[in-house]
Amino acid sequence: SQKIEQNSEALNIQEGKTATLTCNYTNYSPAYLQWYRQDPGRGPVFLLLIRENEKEKRKERLKVTFDTTLKQSLFHITASQPADSATYLCAPTTDYGQNFVFGPGTRLSVLP
Amino acid sequence: DTAVSQTPKYLVTQMGNDKSIKCEQNLGHDTMYWYKQDSKKFLKIMFSYNNKELIINETVPNRFSPKSPDKAHLNLHINSLELGDSAVYFCASSQDATNEKLFFGSGTQLSVL
Repeated sequence: SQKIEQNSEALNIQEGKTATLTCNYTNYSPAYLQWYRQDPGRGPVFLLLIRENEKEKRKERLKVTFDTTLKQSLFHITASQPADSATYLCAPTTDYGQNFVFGPGTRLSVLP
Repeated sequence: DTAVSQTPKYLVTQMGNDKSIKCEQNLGHDTMYWYKQDSKKFLKIMFSYNNKELIINETVPNRFSPKSPDKAHLNLHINSLELGDSAVYFCASSQDATNEKLFFGSGTQLSVL
């Protein structure tokens, strides 16, 4: 059965450093992969979507890579700020939105 | 204006009761969803409707019944509530049924006593 893993349940980094979060999937081949941010007591917020034919996508301080050979996506936040502290969820998705499953999330804490 | 709004924000009720959660989106999207987030924070899809038609119905007890009166509304009715139903329920919407770029509501915290 398909499985999604995110590198660690929690990640602490110092303000100003680059945070790197990992999403690994097995037993299926997503056509695209999405990243969401979730703050306590709130619903997830869409951040970025990267398709299988794209190696990298950027949005302001965010960068996502997608390696279909390694079955992995990396999510980077450069020049991290305490306001970036949240849980980040990945969601690899097959064509036509089938098999759309969220990963367990990584709780990021950026320390001042 | 809130894009996806759901009510109530909190719902505390006794076992065996029947309750409903309402959801409305003003984004003009065709597809709406119900997700459940349990105490371990796993977010799992329950139902998906596209233009008022059910397209995803995961393994959910039939005590849960979604209803979509129009494509801007998707309500969730739960019969005979059980302790294990306690969770946060999120409504979401997307432009179409490809599941790209979901917009979520702020959630309904359901506590069954």
